This record gives sequence, C-alpha cells and structure tokens, in this order.
Amino acid sequence: DGGITQSPKYLFRKEGQNVTLSCEQNLNHDAMYWYRQDPGQGLRLIYYSQIVNDFQKGDIAEGYSVSREKKESFPLTVTSAQKNPTAFYLCASSIGSGSDTQYFGPGTRLTVL
Amino acid sequence: SQKIEQNSEALNIQEGKTATLTCNYTNYSPAYLQWYRQDPGRGPVFLLLIRENEKEKRKERLKVTFDTTLKQSLFHITASQPADSATYLCALDDSNYQLIWGAGTKLIIKP
Repeated sequence: DGGITQSPKYLFRKEGQNVTLSCEQNLNHDAMYWYRQDPGQGLRLIYYSQIVNDFQKGDIAEGYSVSREKKESFPLTVTSAQKNPTAFYLCASSIGSGSDTQYFGPGTRLTVL
Repeated sequence: SQKIEQNSEALNIQEGKTATLTCNYTNYSPAYLQWYRQDPGRGPVFLLLIRENEKEKRKERLKVTFDTTLKQSLFHITASQPADSATYLCALDDSNYQLIWGAGTKLIIKP
C-alpha cells in the first residue's frame, strides 16, 4: 500500500536531549513537509523539501533540523534549542509544490518530561 | 498579514441534518482552497479542492463553495452521520506556493 509512515507514534524527551522523528513515503512524491500542530492553532510549517538534498525553512524552523538524503525519507530532529517542543508533529508529502494536495502521515506526539 | 479563520467552537448537529462549516480569510487572494478532515490523534485527510473560478464543488454528500468577493468558503455535509464527526480544516495557497491552514472546526453529529 502506498502512503506515509511516521515513527514513533509517541515520544518522550528529557529536557536538553535531541530527538529524531522519522518520516518515510512510498508515493514517489518529490515534496515533503514537517508541520507542528498545537491545540487551537492551524498547522505551522517547520521545514519543507521540494527535491532531494535541498530543503527550506518554514515559519517556525528555529530549534529544528532536517535532512533529505533520499526521496523517500525526511527525518526531523528536535534539538535542545527548541524551547517548547511538546506538540503533535505531522509529516506530509505532495506531488509538486506545497500548494498541491498534501498527504499526511499518522503523526508523532512528542512530550518533554 | 494573511489570516484564516474557522469557527473555534464545536458545531453540534443532529444526525440527518446538513452541517455547514465556514472558512474566512483576509489579506489574501488564493488561487484555490482545500478542505481536510482530521480525526483525533491522526493526520489530516484531503477531501475537496475548489479553484477561485469555481463557485461550487461536490463530492457525494459534500459540497464546497468559494466566494472570492466575501473571502469565504462554506463546507456542507448533507444527511450527516455520526461517522462524520471530526475536525475539518481549510487550507489556502499563499504567494510562496505553500499552504496556510485554519485551526479547524470540530463537528459533532448526534444520533
């Protein structure tokens, strides 16, 4: 089945630790995205990548980093510099530009202890 | 700045009735608008896309309208069912070819 997978579903982090969230897609989409979702707010774009080995900062990139070494994979690292990392993180992909229809993974809920 | 507003209060509808959700935007001229459904703890799922030159779009029990003069889109679910209960998000393309998202409206269909 084609789709996007994210792991883990739940993640707990101690303050000061870096953690990496996985995102894999087998839809053969060029573009991939990371969003953060907080209660009462719209999805906010963290990073996006339109092609392998290239990515751009979104609206809230501070404290996060990404890589795009393979078309299928777009991992997100939440660094200790992110002051309020507790949130629901969503990975998405699209055929072309960001304004195309986006397909989402199931999400990772990160909690800082 | 660009802004998208969806009713933050939950919408309670009796089963069988039509549910209507609103998406308003300001400082914006999107080429098209999308609606997604999100269930608790899961990622959004695409439902419908409507372009600026389209007044209305339908898919089964779903209907979307797009009024660029009022800067508003309405999302209708006819003959609503408890299984339609979810949060519905609207999203518009911005000038940088990315999507800007509303916070969503929670819809509750009561049997």
